[in-house]
Amino acid sequence: GGIITQTPKFLIGQEGQKLTLKCQQNFNHDTMYWYRQDSGKGLRLIYYSITENDLQKGDLSEGYDASREKKSSFSLTVTSAQKNEMAVFLCASRTGGSYEQYFGPGTRLTVL
Amino acid sequence: GQQVQQSPASLVLQEGENAELQCNFSTSLNSMQWFYQRPGGSLVSLFYNPSGTKQSGRLTSTTVIKERRSSLHISSSQTTDSGTYLCAMPPQVVGQLTFGSGTRLQVYA
Repeated sequence: GGIITQTPKFLIGQEGQKLTLKCQQNFNHDTMYWYRQDSGKGLRLIYYSITENDLQKGDLSEGYDASREKKSSFSLTVTSAQKNEMAVFLCASRTGGSYEQYFGPGTRLTVL
Repeated sequence: GQQVQQSPASLVLQEGENAELQCNFSTSLNSMQWFYQRPGGSLVSLFYNPSGTKQSGRLTSTTVIKERRSSLHISSSQTTDSGTYLCAMPPQVVGQLTFGSGTRLQVYA
């Protein structure tokens, strides 16, 4: 089996600050995802990547950048943190042969 | 685009009762994934079920492709089953999951 790790678990930043969230997976999966989950709501896709150095925008990409420099890691940057984007950010991955996705434990973002 | 209708939105049970959660899809269905989430917790995959019925302990998932629906049955519920259950469907081309809005389950002793 494998695991997805996300760092940090809790991220606190100031409004307007640039913040980076990291995700690592050892499944050797091709595709990785970043989702945002607002309190009491469903998940929305921010970015995904089908292979190293590939980036694809999701429905919620505005205000975010992403980076996939290695197959095993996928970073998400909040370019200018806003109070209305306090949420849990979830990283996920899947192999090319299946649609099944595996999720990391999440990073909870608080903006002061 | 794809739409997922999940029901019920919330459910309250006495320990020992059974639960039936449903997801219906507006477009053709190719597979289904069910997740469990505790408040403040991450998503735990319960089933990846392209079609037919799968069982794991007290949980049973049934996906009927041609009827565009999937269900999750919880038998003999326990207080530890409390949390949110989410269904999700990938699109036809790239694996971006489309999530239902979730069922919030509360089981009392």
